[in-house]
Amino acid sequence: AQTVTQSQPEMSVQEAETVTLSCTYDTSENNYYLFWYKQPPSRQMILVIRQEAYKQQNATENRFSVNFQKAAKSFSLKISDSQLGDTAMYFCAFMKHEGNTPLVFGKGTRLSVIA
Amino acid sequence: DAGVTQSPTHLIKTRGQQVTLRCSPKSGHDTVSWYQQALGQGPQFIFQYYEEEERQRGNFPDRFSGHQFPNYSSELNVNALLLGDSALYLCASSLGRRINYGYTFGSGTRLTVV
Repeated sequence: AQTVTQSQPEMSVQEAETVTLSCTYDTSENNYYLFWYKQPPSRQMILVIRQEAYKQQNATENRFSVNFQKAAKSFSLKISDSQLGDTAMYFCAFMKHEGNTPLVFGKGTRLSVIA
Repeated sequence: DAGVTQSPTHLIKTRGQQVTLRCSPKSGHDTVSWYQQALGQGPQFIFQYYEEEERQRGNFPDRFSGHQFPNYSSELNVNALLLGDSALYLCASSLGRRINYGYTFGSGTRLTVV
């Protein structure tokens, strides 16, 4: 079974600064997908960024980027130029490469951006 | 383009009762998955429906059951409610087996069992 661990229950960052959220996972699979989801107070899970394990290049989406270390089974999220709207719960999630497999989530990190 | 819609948004039930939660997937999506998110936890997979059949199931008791209709909408039913069933129930939709692109989630139904 796969497990996802987020070791930082809470973090805070000053507006316009950079913050990195950590995620480690355990799997015996060689091919899989990793995701970061954002859950604001509205409760909807919003996809932030996606990484395919067979791609060595780290994914980037505007101010969001990841540091994917496959051998170390580490998948951290970097948020640059933090904005007040980034305040939310952030969940790291794993999914096998084969079809119709569920997401396995970590427990989340609560990020607060301070003005 | 409507996203995933869930109803109701909030619900209070008494122990032992039964509850039905509803989900309409994003337009063009045909697969619906349900997740339970307890307070302070990440979502846990309950089950997934595709072509009106349950395709996969997580580690949840038979008190949790579901259904998918021909229009791809779905229901989650929970019988004999326990206090521990209090949680946010999230519905996520996707297109067939191309879920590697990620799911689209609704805003959830907050169920409180008293």
